[in-house]
Amino acid sequence: DGGITQSPKYLFRKEGQNVTLSCEQNLNHDAMYWYRQDPGQGLRLIYYSQIVNDFQKGDIAEGYSVSREKKESFPLTVTSAQKNPTAFYLCASSIGGTSGPRYQETQYFGPGTRLLVL
Amino acid sequence: KNQVEQSPQSLIILEGKNCTLQCNYTVSPFSNLRWYKQDTGRGPVSLTIMTFSENTKSNGRYTATLDADTKQSSLHITASQLSDSASYICVVSDTGTASKLTFGTGTRLQVTL
Repeated sequence: DGGITQSPKYLFRKEGQNVTLSCEQNLNHDAMYWYRQDPGQGLRLIYYSQIVNDFQKGDIAEGYSVSREKKESFPLTVTSAQKNPTAFYLCASSIGGTSGPRYQETQYFGPGTRLLVL
Repeated sequence: KNQVEQSPQSLIILEGKNCTLQCNYTVSPFSNLRWYKQDTGRGPVSLTIMTFSENTKSNGRYTATLDADTKQSSLHITASQLSDSASYICVVSDTGTASKLTFGTGTRLQVTL
């Protein structure tokens, strides 16, 4: 059963604590993304990775960090520097890479992680 | 600044009725436009992707139209079902790459008996 999984479904963060959200895909996709979704706003890109061992900042990267050590995994760490972390976090993947029909590059999303602050 | 505006913000319709959701964008240059369906508390699921040369595309009871001249798109849902209750998000790309997308805030559709 192919797809993207995110864990945990709900995550609680205490003030000053770093937390890590997991994202795994078995679609053999090169590209992976992290988005943040807040009520009344469109999805905003946090980080993305086009290939293993490489990643780029998105529009709202401050207070977040990522790693891409394996093709199938793209964990996101919400650091204590992120002052307003409460949101719904979505991971996505697409074929990506350096070849292929990029103009029709569908993104496949995971089920999301809701992060709440205690 | 690239922007995508959707209307209405929310909509309630009776089961079996049709409805049309609107999307206006100011993204330039234009590469493609996507419609996603997002159930509450879940990730978005792709419905359609259209490039500038396509003015209509269907996916079952969902039909998307695109007018690249007026920078408008619509999503028409035929014979609505309770399972159509969700948010519908319009997304526009200026380069064709998935890392350069502008997301609308969505239209929240509720289908009732």
